[in-house]
Amino acid sequence: DTAVSQTPKYLVTQMGNDKSIKCEQNLGHDTMYWYKQDSKKFLKIMFSYNNKELIINETVPNRFSPKSPDKAHLNLHINSLELGDSAVYFCASGASAVPGQTQYFGPGTRLLVL
Amino acid sequence: QKEVEQDPGPLSVPEGAIVSLNCTYSNSAFQYFMWYRQYSRKGPELLMYTYSSGNKEDGRFTAQVDKSSKYISLFIRDSQPSDSATYLCASRPNQAGTALIFGKGTTLSVSS
Repeated sequence: DTAVSQTPKYLVTQMGNDKSIKCEQNLGHDTMYWYKQDSKKFLKIMFSYNNKELIINETVPNRFSPKSPDKAHLNLHINSLELGDSAVYFCASGASAVPGQTQYFGPGTRLLVL
Repeated sequence: QKEVEQDPGPLSVPEGAIVSLNCTYSNSAFQYFMWYRQYSRKGPELLMYTYSSGNKEDGRFTAQVDKSSKYISLFIRDSQPSDSATYLCASRPNQAGTALIFGKGTTLSVSS
């Protein structure tokens, strides 16, 4: 029943490691997003994909690489993790043809880099 | 200057109080305005959204947008302890695929 799901929910890792976060939505939406929420709860867009094509790429270090194998999935791979990457990463999805195009968020992946 | 400004609070009220949460925005192209509620250690949950100026009511919640002053408000009537959460306002232009621009969120605590 879960609309937007993410795995893993928690990720604790050492600096310099590479890790991936996966996201899946079963809402039939054509647009998916990655947002980052910092320790002060500020939520900021990182990437957006529409029908598997990258349409938003904010000023994010190129250590972050999103991949969308199909409309229902959007993954995020992070290379050479740094302390400053510690945050909560949220996946969201929306339907571009729907007026208002409200976005629905996943439960988040809490990443802690030691 | 951030495009959406929101006072982070915290805001503490007694049960039954009327709560007013506010944001301002700077981008004239913003057409859609949303309020999300985020409980601790959960994802943001869409509460309400409005298009352009006007009011929208849903139960105890009323969202207001005044485009002339670039002001966004959320009112909660008869507040309950279960309303204790962080409330995030967000806006975006009327363009397919654009991301939401969020305020920093206001943390609300309703005591019984």
